[in-house]
Amino acid sequence: AQTVTQSQPEMSVQEAETVTLSCTYDTSENNYYLFWYKQPPSRQMILVIRQEAYKQQNATENRFSVNFQKAAKSFSLKISDSQLGDTAMYFCAFAALTQGGSEKLVFGKGMKLTVNP
Amino acid sequence: DAGVIQSPRHEVTEMGQEVTLRCKPISGHDYLFWYRQTMMRGLELLIYFNNNVPIDDSGMPEDRFSAKMPNASFSTLKIQPSEPRDSAVYFCASSTGTGVFWNTIYFGEGSWLTVV
Repeated sequence: AQTVTQSQPEMSVQEAETVTLSCTYDTSENNYYLFWYKQPPSRQMILVIRQEAYKQQNATENRFSVNFQKAAKSFSLKISDSQLGDTAMYFCAFAALTQGGSEKLVFGKGMKLTVNP
Repeated sequence: DAGVIQSPRHEVTEMGQEVTLRCKPISGHDYLFWYRQTMMRGLELLIYFNNNVPIDDSGMPEDRFSAKMPNASFSTLKIQPSEPRDSAVYFCASSTGTGVFWNTIYFGEGSWLTVV
């Protein structure tokens, strides 16, 4: 079974600074996707970024980038130039690629990020 | 597109009552997921459907929980009888594929259930 661990329950950062959220996972699969989802106070789950495990290049979406270390099973999210609107819960998630079928999206417990003015 | 639509947004009910949560997935999405979020357990997948057929219901906590998808545009999650420990936010989500055809899963805004 796959597991996703977010060891930091809460972090805070000053506006315009850079912050890194950590995530580790455990799996015996070789092909999979990793995701970071954001959940603002409205409770909506919003996809921030995703990474295919077979790609060596780290994914980037504007101010959001990941550091994917496959051997270490680590998948951290870096938020540059933090904005007040980044305040939210952030969830790391994992999904295995299976041929001819589907897999569950497994979430970590989440981490609360607060961006202070 | 209106996104995934869930109702009700908030429900408070008494223990023992039946609760029905509703979901309308994004048009054209053939996968539908029900998740439950609690402080203790985080986000858990309860059940998911592909083309209206339940594929994996191993996350459904017990027989009090049931889910149906009578057509491509509607699904329900029912709890009967409800218990205080069922209090949680229930999310519905949809996508156009998973596995080797993985695509982004879009979540609804959630149904916040409180059982007293």
